[in-house]
Amino acid sequence: GENVEQHPSTLSVQEGDSAVIKCTYSDSASNYFPWYKQELGKRPQLIIDIRSNVGEKKDQRIAVTLNKTAKHFSLHITETQPEDSAVYFCAMEYGNKLVFGAGTILRVKS
Amino acid sequence: GAVVSQHPSRVICKSGTSVKIECRSLDFQATTMFWYRQFPKQSLMLMATSNEGSKATYEQGVEKDKFLINHASLTLSTLTVTSAHPEDSSFYICSATGGADTYGYTFGSGTRLTVV
Repeated sequence: GENVEQHPSTLSVQEGDSAVIKCTYSDSASNYFPWYKQELGKRPQLIIDIRSNVGEKKDQRIAVTLNKTAKHFSLHITETQPEDSAVYFCAMEYGNKLVFGAGTILRVKS
Repeated sequence: GAVVSQHPSRVICKSGTSVKIECRSLDFQATTMFWYRQFPKQSLMLMATSNEGSKATYEQGVEKDKFLINHASLTLSTLTVTSAHPEDSSFYICSATGGADTYGYTFGSGTRLTVV
């Protein structure tokens, strides 16, 4: 079915540390998994995405890993900075639409 | 990159009135547009999916007669909240795609609706 579970709901890290957010899904037919960053009152911004034909993708300090067998994918942010503080949403493509996780509030303490 | 424009960014209306929100794809043809509603500290909840020239498909629990969606062209979709009530106050966001393999999903800047 169309369900994405996201954990944790809140995450506090010290500046410079790494942050990891994990999502699990139930529909094995999904092939596209984007991650969005949303600041208060603003639109979600795509930060990285991955398709099911690869297991990992990296863009500077941000990486996403995908385990299709276990049906989970994770966002990794290294060397966190205060400007990384925001709400992060995972999503998966289900049919012709996106289904979102509940979101993770990331706070980077300086 | 793909750009989606959404207007207005904020609107305050009286109970019982209707409000129209516009969503435009500026540099690509949006074969499909989506309308989401987001309450404070919550995730994006899909309200409906619309394809150009056809009726919108509403998610379960969304009243199609209250939330009228029109997707008259490949670059414009509108959401009209009819007979608005305070509980309709929310952040409404549109998204558009010209095909996920090529364009992905691009979001509008959102509309903060307050019904008083």
